[in-house]
Amino acid sequence: SAVISQKPSRDICQRGTSLTIQCQVDSQVTMMFWYRQQPGQSLTLIATANQGSEATYESGFVIDKFPISRPNLTFSTLTVSNMSPEDSSIYLCSGKREGFTDTQYFGPGTRLTVL
Amino acid sequence: AQSVAQPEDQVNVAEGNPLTVKCTYSVSGNPYLFWYVQYPNRGLQFLLKYITGDNLVKGSYGFEAEFNKSQTSFHLKKPSALVSDSALYFCAVRDGTGGFNTIFGAGTRLFVKA
Repeated sequence: SAVISQKPSRDICQRGTSLTIQCQVDSQVTMMFWYRQQPGQSLTLIATANQGSEATYESGFVIDKFPISRPNLTFSTLTVSNMSPEDSSIYLCSGKREGFTDTQYFGPGTRLTVL
Repeated sequence: AQSVAQPEDQVNVAEGNPLTVKCTYSVSGNPYLFWYVQYPNRGLQFLLKYITGDNLVKGSYGFEAEFNKSQTSFHLKKPSALVSDSALYFCAVRDGTGGFNTIFGAGTRLFVKA
């Protein structure tokens, strides 16, 4: 299975500030994704992180609010900008290999609380 | 459009008893189906998947799932539940017609009582 790490594991932030979450994957992974999960609820895909180009965002998510970088194959960042309490959530990094049937693996998540 | 449903928000079972967590799906093409488990304050862990072949799939921690095409279901099962199995379980589907997006169910919380 792929190894995926995230940091920070949790943070408490003030309204109006920004937080950048880092994700590191091992070399098996070619595709990377960012999800949001309200505690105890399902996952919502924010975007697919594309190496060296702009991320592909899902409906309801925009680059200005959630800028994503992926400078190389194994590293990506998600920034939550101009935060409000509604952004309090768990943010999960995910990765998979190129094959369509390959399993998607997840990092441990970043628990964000916005005051 | 693809979708996945987990009809039970919560399942309660006594330790040692068999457990079933239900999942039904809807896709246009062939379904690729997955089960994940999430323990408190942790990310999702992969349990098992169905791609093709034998309808009964065996996975981690003694879990198995049965693919039923006619009922469009992929229920997760375990013959004998452990207290440590208490967690949040997610069923997920990927549509075989193309696209890498994996759709996740709402999740089912499993409580195993000693």
